[in-house]
Amino acid sequence: NAGVTQTPKFRVLKTGQSMTLLCAQDMNHEYMYWYRQDPGMGLRLIHYSVGEGTTAKGEVPDGYNVSRLKKQNFLLGLESAAPSQTSVYFCASRADPIPYNEQFFGPGTRLTVL
Amino acid sequence: RKEVEQDPGPFNVPEGATVAFNCTYSNSASQSFFWYRQDCRKEPKLLMSVYSSGNEDGRFTAQLNRASQYISLLIRDSKLSDSATYLCVVTMDSSYKLIFGSGTRLLVRP
Repeated sequence: NAGVTQTPKFRVLKTGQSMTLLCAQDMNHEYMYWYRQDPGMGLRLIHYSVGEGTTAKGEVPDGYNVSRLKKQNFLLGLESAAPSQTSVYFCASRADPIPYNEQFFGPGTRLTVL
Repeated sequence: RKEVEQDPGPFNVPEGATVAFNCTYSNSASQSFFWYRQDCRKEPKLLMSVYSSGNEDGRFTAQLNRASQYISLLIRDSKLSDSATYLCVVTMDSSYKLIFGSGTRLLVRP
C-alpha cells in the first residue's frame, strides 16, 4: 500500500496563476481532507469530503476549490494564486469517524506564490 | 481563544531526561484525543491515542483530564530520535474533523 500520496511535491507559482494539487489514497477511506500548515499556525482545515461526490468547507476555504469525483482522489484547486497561499499543503484520509480512527497524511506539497 | 492550545516550546532536554507536555482544549463536548508527531518538513504521524483511563506505550504515557479539559504526554528516558514537534489533536462528538494544536517542539541534546 502506498497510503496517501500527493503530487506535486514542490511548486512555484506567480500571482494569478492557477494549479491543481492531487491527493490519492489506496486504503478505501471514505473521508479525505486538505490542510495548510504555516509557521506558528498549526494545521488548518481547508476543505474536506465525507465520501465520493461530496465536499464541505473547513476553517479556511476562501481561494480554494475541491472535487472528489472518485473515492480515491481528492483535488485541491487554486484558481488565482496569491502570495498569502504560500504554505505547505497536506492531504489526509480516514476510514470513518469512529472515535480513535487514525488519520493518515500524505507527504505534503510545498507551494510558493511569488 | 484557540480550540486547542499548546506551549510551543522548544523544550530542550538532555538525553535520558523525562519531559512532559500539556495541551488544553476548550470544547467540553470533545470526544477523542490524540498525540501526533511531526518531524521537520515531514507529515504528521499518529504517536498514540489518549484514552480516558490513561494509556502507556513504551516510554510514552498519555493522560486525559476531562474535568480540567487537558491532556498530557510524558516521555521517559528521552532519546535523540524523540526530537520533533508533538501535536495535540481533538475531535468533537459526531464530527469528521480533527482539530490540531500548533504543536510543542522538543529538542533532545546529547
